[in-house]
Amino acid sequence: GAVVSQHPSRVICKSGTSVKIECRSLDFQATTMFWYRQFPKQSLMLMATSNEGSKATYEQGVEKDKFLINHASLTLSTLTVTSAHPEDSSFYICSAREMGTYEQYFGPGTRLTVT
Amino acid sequence: DAKTTQPPSMDCAEGRAANLPCNHSTISGNEYVYWYRQIHSQGPQYIIHGLKNNETNEMASLIITEDRKSSTLILPHATLRDTAVYYCIVRVASNTGKLIFGQGTTLQVKP
Repeated sequence: GAVVSQHPSRVICKSGTSVKIECRSLDFQATTMFWYRQFPKQSLMLMATSNEGSKATYEQGVEKDKFLINHASLTLSTLTVTSAHPEDSSFYICSAREMGTYEQYFGPGTRLTVT
Repeated sequence: DAKTTQPPSMDCAEGRAANLPCNHSTISGNEYVYWYRQIHSQGPQYIIHGLKNNETNEMASLIITEDRKSSTLILPHATLRDTAVYYCIVRVASNTGKLIFGQGTTLQVKP
């Protein structure tokens, strides 16, 4: 079956530093990937849509200069949280849409803690 | 985007059928109904989707009303491992195919 991985699964960083999260589609190609954020006891909130070879589309209220998204290949998208602050601590989840279909597969998530 | 309404929580006895309702009264004709679930601290898992007809797979059945304004996800024999948050989503009818999650239903399967 279609598998999406995320790395790292957990990361702790200090306030003011940047952290990069990778999202990979392991056995399929994905022209589109999505990034979500989830705070405790809340639902997933879509942050941005990442398209291979082009700029990401951010949802309203999401700072594009703080959450840098790069989708350089058909199997990899990265989310970089720049100048992280404690309020950025959250569960970040990516999903990948299989090329030529509408089917989306989710990664296992990355737990970011900013101290 | 068509919005969905789900009860915040439900209980189900182990081995019994779990019926999870979803209201999507503003759904458009070309929008699909998708169901995902999320077990604690994991990424969402696809369950099933449908447009008009009822659907069944190895995990669940999806019953969509004739007017398409509501649907029910049925887990025929719930197990403790089915305890999760279940999300009913109407997929945006565009090329992006993005999924907008609501609050979902927390299903607690009890022994």
